Amino acid sequence: DAGITQSPRHKVTETGTPVTLRCHQTENHRYMYWYRQDPGHGLRLIHYSYGVKDTDKGEVSDGYSVSRSKTEDFLLTLESATSSQTSVYFCAIGTAVNNEQFFGPGTRLTVL
Amino acid sequence: AQKVTQAQTEISVVEKEDVTLDCVYETRDTTYYLFWYKQPPSGELVFLIRRNSFDEQNEISGRYSWNFQKSTSSFNFTITASQVVDSAVYFCALSAPDSWGKLQFGAGTQVVVTP
Repeated sequence: DAGITQSPRHKVTETGTPVTLRCHQTENHRYMYWYRQDPGHGLRLIHYSYGVKDTDKGEVSDGYSVSRSKTEDFLLTLESATSSQTSVYFCAIGTAVNNEQFFGPGTRLTVL
Repeated sequence: AQKVTQAQTEISVVEKEDVTLDCVYETRDTTYYLFWYKQPPSGELVFLIRRNSFDEQNEISGRYSWNFQKSTSSFNFTITASQVVDSAVYFCALSAPDSWGKLQFGAGTQVVVTP
């Protein structure tokens, strides 16, 4: 299995609080991604990174920001969490070869 | 814009029956990649297969087989002689070579296999 960890694995927070999710990889892959999974929508891309300090928005980026100061870490921040951001968040890593991605275990976030 | 449609929300079968999952995609790219992922009840996402748009050869891997037809923009997945362990959500996904690897997922199909 690809070396990808996510922390925390579960989090319950209140509306209006800031939340940061961490994705850590040991594979030295250039590309990293954050997706959210919601019933009926599959996985939707929030943000992605194509290198250290190189990030861009995905399909559902409103309310989220990211940072990547090291190859191995990709942080997803909810500046002020809302109930609509209750979801399961997956981090993924990939290479430029065939666009294949490997996923982390996921973080279940509940915003009350 | 890219789009992936998995019209089947849930499929229920009895063990040993075959089950086929449909995937229809839309893209303007002439070169692209198609994927299937499995998500068992434990929640992790497991990569199953990747196909390149220029390779329409169908593939069989054990009880799994894939039927890629460019003419109908479909990439269907069949599980032969299903088992209870096949119970999972299956996702079809699409990616273009120059898209930084971004995946466009379908909504997923829940497969329930009962003994």
